[in-house]
Amino acid sequence: NAGVTQTPKFQVLKTGQSMTLQCAQDMNHEYMSWYRQDPGMGLRLIHYSVGAGITDQGEVPNGYNVSRSTTEDFPLRLLSAAPSQTSVYFCASSGKGSNYGYTFGSGTRLTVV
Amino acid sequence: GQQLNQSPQSMFIQEGEDVSMNCTSSSIFNTWLWYKQDPGEGPVLLIALYKAGELTSNGRLTAQFGITRKDSFLNISASIPSDVGIYFCAERSNSGYALNFGKGTSLLVTP
Repeated sequence: NAGVTQTPKFQVLKTGQSMTLQCAQDMNHEYMSWYRQDPGMGLRLIHYSVGAGITDQGEVPNGYNVSRSTTEDFPLRLLSAAPSQTSVYFCASSGKGSNYGYTFGSGTRLTVV
Repeated sequence: GQQLNQSPQSMFIQEGEDVSMNCTSSSIFNTWLWYKQDPGEGPVLLIALYKAGELTSNGRLTAQFGITRKDSFLNISASIPSDVGIYFCAERSNSGYALNFGKGTSLLVTP
């Protein structure tokens, strides 16, 4: 039972480059979300999805795109990386309904130079 | 999302001591969650609270959902070195679609 799997674990990008952070879950969870973690800021919501084909913006969506073509996968795309996007990114998933906590992946540490 | 005020920001204690941290908000919540994050890992759910006044334990950890539904606390008894990490409170928004986090309490435990 893998839970939530994020790849890659580490990535260095040059300003202006694009890349996709991968997230996959094998728990058949409806809800998935992306967070970024910066020192002293806690975790801030970037985008979330309540099911295949349905996505919406969170607190800090600028510079990021998402799509949800399957229940299992929820990739996060950086179209033109900026140094301000240097952060640790976490993907999480949850079953539908309020009586579930979210399960997190182990994170992707991204540096933009 | 609604702002969660978590305190203290950091704690430096000796092994065996008890620890208390709390989280407050100006809004009423239906769910309080407490997570722990080990260095280099994602947050892991410790305790979930769903009713005002609810008191729940998980081993040496105890958490309570405040009666006003605007606050929650987490206690750790007889701390050990592996308790080191960042503890986050979080609320599951009324829609349930995602989580809103406090800024975390960083705990250091010396042997």
